[in-house]
Amino acid sequence: NAGVTQTPKFRVLKTGQSMTLLCAQDMNHEYMYWYRQDPGMGLRLIHYSVGEGTTAKGEVPDGYNVSRLKKQNFLLGLESAAPSQTSVYFCATGTNNYGYTFGSGTRLTVV
Amino acid sequence: AQSVTQPDIHITVSEGASLELRCNYSYGATPYLFWYVQSPGQGLQLLLKYFSGDTLVQGIKGFEAEFKRSQSSFNLRKPSVHWSDAAEYFCAVEGSGGYNKLIFGAGTRLAVHP
Repeated sequence: NAGVTQTPKFRVLKTGQSMTLLCAQDMNHEYMYWYRQDPGMGLRLIHYSVGEGTTAKGEVPDGYNVSRLKKQNFLLGLESAAPSQTSVYFCATGTNNYGYTFGSGTRLTVV
Repeated sequence: AQSVTQPDIHITVSEGASLELRCNYSYGATPYLFWYVQSPGQGLQLLLKYFSGDTLVQGIKGFEAEFKRSQSSFNLRKPSVHWSDAAEYFCAVEGSGGYNKLIFGAGTRLAVHP
């Protein structure tokens, strides 16, 4: 089935550890996005990409890095995790004309 | 800067009752507006969108929304709610600078009583 796949689905990190979240899409879209979802705050854009090899900062980029080496993959990295990064992370692809397709999310807890 | 306000954090309705979820936006030009729904443990799904033209837009699952420029509102409605509509609903506006970025409201959690 066409869509967006996020791995892992769950992860617990200790403060200071690093990790990479992977987003893979098979819809051949140029645009990809990483959002975080926190209670009472909706979804906030972390970083986005408008095509292979390009990335840009969103609303809350601090503490995160991203890479888009292949069109179908968009990686979100945490170099030194902090408890404030405990959240649910969603990857999305698409455009406003077409509509976004979201992954099912990654629940990250930093202790 | 663009922003979206959803004044109601939680709403409870009885099955079969009508529903209206409120959304107010702040945007300098004609906005692109969206409603998304999130079922528990899932990603978001697009319900409907407004770009221009007819201010009453129809979406999936029997939902509709009306754009009112004078009130800066884009409220979501459904005439008869089903138990399966229990979910969280997000209003969103396209952010400035293009690139299809979305600014989301904080969401409204809908509970449906049988």
